[in-house]
Amino acid sequence: DQQVKQNSPSLSVQEGRISILNCDYTNSMFDYFLWYKKYPAEGPTFLISISSIKDKNEDGRFTVFLNKSAKHLSLHIVPSQPGDSAVYFCAAGDTGNQFYFGTGTSLTVIP
Amino acid sequence: DTEVTQTPKHLVMGMTNKKSLKCEQHMGHRAMYWYKQKAKKPPELMFVYSYEKLSINESVPSRFSPECPNSSLLNLHLHALQPEDSALYLCASSQFGQGAYNEQFFGPGTRLTVL
Repeated sequence: DQQVKQNSPSLSVQEGRISILNCDYTNSMFDYFLWYKKYPAEGPTFLISISSIKDKNEDGRFTVFLNKSAKHLSLHIVPSQPGDSAVYFCAAGDTGNQFYFGTGTSLTVIP
Repeated sequence: DTEVTQTPKHLVMGMTNKKSLKCEQHMGHRAMYWYKQKAKKPPELMFVYSYEKLSINESVPSRFSPECPNSSLLNLHLHALQPEDSALYLCASSQFGQGAYNEQFFGPGTRLTVL
């Protein structure tokens, strides 16, 4: 049973516009969330995280929003750049070091 | 040094072979992980070592045998694998062991093909 879901397998966005990637989870015990970016033939690269005591965390062009009541998080990339084209995974877990990954969303930023 | 390295990058092995995957980090991280990733699927956790002790084994078949010789090194010994074990094997590390929130840093992976 998939505890973390990314329902959009792919997303295309014009350069300069906002990219919004969504993630839903089912386990209310999850209290730490991460976003990773993955290029082909490389391992995932950590982007940004958020703990359940916050509802927003920002790092440059990347902002993660957490809605605990809806068990939903989203990653906003503004402005989107062609170099952002990659597969994005969300992951959820707790202090037990065990993270569950979503199936990924492939983002294409069109120049 | 801020990266996780994995060797080899690619490995092809027969079902009767014995081989090992190696992972190394010099960031002083105290937890290390093995994940398996099949095409178009999320990474699946296999093993977690926390402070050099095996803390999580996700019901992985015994043909996969992890080893943590020291805090910087993590090996995955492979024996009598099946073709369905072909996948990308990812190693990761995090600063703290269990009981703390911390992001995991991944290596580039080893692409394993079992014939």
